[in-house]
Amino acid sequence: DAKTTQPNSMESNEEEPVHLPCNHSTISGTDYIHWYRQLPSQGPEYVIHGLTSNVNNRMASLAIAEDRKSSTLILHRATLRDAAVYYCILRGTGNQFYFGTGTSLTVIP
Amino acid sequence: EPEVTQTPSHQVTQMGQEVILRCVPISNHLYFYWYRQILGQKVEFLVSFYNNEISEKSEIFDDQFSVERPDGSNFTLKIRSTKLEDSAMYFCATHRGRNTEAFFGQGTRLTVV
Repeated sequence: DAKTTQPNSMESNEEEPVHLPCNHSTISGTDYIHWYRQLPSQGPEYVIHGLTSNVNNRMASLAIAEDRKSSTLILHRATLRDAAVYYCILRGTGNQFYFGTGTSLTVIP
Repeated sequence: EPEVTQTPSHQVTQMGQEVILRCVPISNHLYFYWYRQILGQKVEFLVSFYNNEISEKSEIFDDQFSVERPDGSNFTLKIRSTKLEDSAMYFCATHRGRNTEAFFGQGTRLTVV
């Protein structure tokens, strides 16, 4: 599976937007970009996914670069409950997905 | 909201014993997975299951591991002879179709003593 690169950690102030970057320079044309997060002591939770176009849902927005070699997860107003490890994952035709080390987001009150 | 249910939430077992971890997938989901997470480490893929057979497995998923859907609803992971290094959180995940969102259970914490 194509690899992704994320910063190990980021901080954000509560109620401010957060932009979590992900690089995936070896992405193939059929790979979907998925984002999951894992809150402390819980299972991973789906956040959002997309292929080429930007996507919005109730949790977040996903901005995908035109060349698809990078993407950014946007949390519009960070809350304390958004403190988690965020994983950017590429899923190809095989459907299984592999987690990297993710970005640990700290939200400062 | 539909959810993936895993039982038990915590299992303590003696080294060398067999354990079975259970997962009840969301009813119309077709793809099933087991992952594990050793404390403080990343989530690791074990096995994927589709159409009543394993579609892919990792190097971790050796002969000591097996999966099945015995009754068309439960999805189980069996470890035949547990080792200390099998201590981890085990997560079941399921999704409906190709490249759809996956839902994870809350996990089973397995402690091998």
